[in-house]
Amino acid sequence: LMLAQPPSVSESPGKTVSLSCTGSGGRIASNYVHWYQQRPGSVPTTVIYNDNQRPSGVPGRFSGSIDRSSNSASLTISGLQTEDEADYYCQSYDDNNVIFGGGTKLTVL
Amino acid sequence: QVHLQESGPGLVKPSETLSLTCSVSGVSIGAGFWSWIRQPPGKGLEWIGYVYSGGSPSYNPSLKSRVTISVATSQSQFSLQLSSVTAADTAVYFCARRLGANLFDFWGQGLRVAVSS
Repeated sequence: LMLAQPPSVSESPGKTVSLSCTGSGGRIASNYVHWYQQRPGSVPTTVIYNDNQRPSGVPGRFSGSIDRSSNSASLTISGLQTEDEADYYCQSYDDNNVIFGGGTKLTVL
Repeated sequence: QVHLQESGPGLVKPSETLSLTCSVSGVSIGAGFWSWIRQPPGKGLEWIGYVYSGGSPSYNPSLKSRVTISVATSQSQFSLQLSSVTAADTAVYFCARRLGANLFDFWGQGLRVAVSS
């Protein structure tokens, strides 16, 4: 399984953005997908786990979903705020490996 | 609160072995799965492997021939050894706790390691 993410996405404050994570070489729905946020110089933190679960403390503006037809996962952030500007990584696994997507740099401007 | 802290040299010579240690506090190291993840400068995250007390470690297939991860339960530490390093192994190395479904919930602050002569 490999996970592909667009390198960069830009959107304006207050808007909604969806970050994609497309699987190849396997079915993305076979195992859970997690999403991490990494601000510059900081440690990754979980914003979505198990496809669509939100950890306590993560705003309800963050949501996750799986689309079996396109073999992809999505992280949607609504009501964008400047503090959401960060790198976002999807992550899943298969029998032998833990896989991270290449990450998407989200710019809020 | 679970706390992880990486330690080790910040500079390793090419062809030598990189050795790092992660100290765990706030939880019993014997009760969990413990992982190493790295991030080359300006690039994405790469899983290296994980270990658990009393079990066999699991490694990234692309690094398996060079990696050893072990746990020292009595010291509440786990370690990474990466042999025959090259400049491509220059990265920030994170230790992290792995939960079910391979979710990483607690991370160390990361240790920057450069491979250079």
